[in-house]
Amino acid sequence: SAVISQKPSRDICQRGTSLTIQCQVDSQVTMMFWYRQQPGQSLTLIATANQGSEATYESGFVIDKFPISRPNLTFSTLTVSNMSPEDSSIYLCSVEGPQRRSYNEQFFGPGTRLTVL
Amino acid sequence: RKEVEQDPGPFNVPEGATVAFNCTYSNSASQSFFWYRQDCRKEPKLLMSVYSSGNEDGRFTAQLNRASQYISLLIRDSKLSDSATYLCVCSTDSWGKLQFGAGTQVVVTP
Repeated sequence: SAVISQKPSRDICQRGTSLTIQCQVDSQVTMMFWYRQQPGQSLTLIATANQGSEATYESGFVIDKFPISRPNLTFSTLTVSNMSPEDSSIYLCSVEGPQRRSYNEQFFGPGTRLTVL
Repeated sequence: RKEVEQDPGPFNVPEGATVAFNCTYSNSASQSFFWYRQDCRKEPKLLMSVYSSGNEDGRFTAQLNRASQYISLLIRDSKLSDSATYLCVCSTDSWGKLQFGAGTQVVVTP
């Protein structure tokens, strides 16, 4: 599977500020995904990031709050804008596996643990 | 109603024993199914895909029952290292949208 890194691994931020999370993959991938995992909850897909096109957001998530960049096939960023304590969560990027033994196998980065005060 | 439902557990399992648990999914159009494992404060890691005919990977066996819309995972000869939260995951399309269950916690005790 691909090696995925995320920066930062964790951060503590003040209400009203923004944080940009980076996701780097060691191989070219078509699709990258951003998820949120709130405390005690499971993962929720925020958006799908394809290179060369606008990200596709899931219901409940908007571009103004979570702008995404995908400048090339190995890198993506997610920004959490105008943060509030409700944004405290783990943010994870994922990519499809390079060998698609079945549809939709995804591999996750280590996550960014965000705390908003 | 959640799209993917799991018993949160915890399932307390003596080392060496067998444990099995299910998850149910509500969307009959679901095509792909997976079990992920998530350790505390870590990212989910793919444990195994679930195929229509059922499949086995070492001590782990996954089954799919489309008629009743559930997936099962069985762990034989449990190891202490099997302690984790097991996430049931379904997808209805080929474009990467995964629906995650909230997870079943398994605790293997000496």
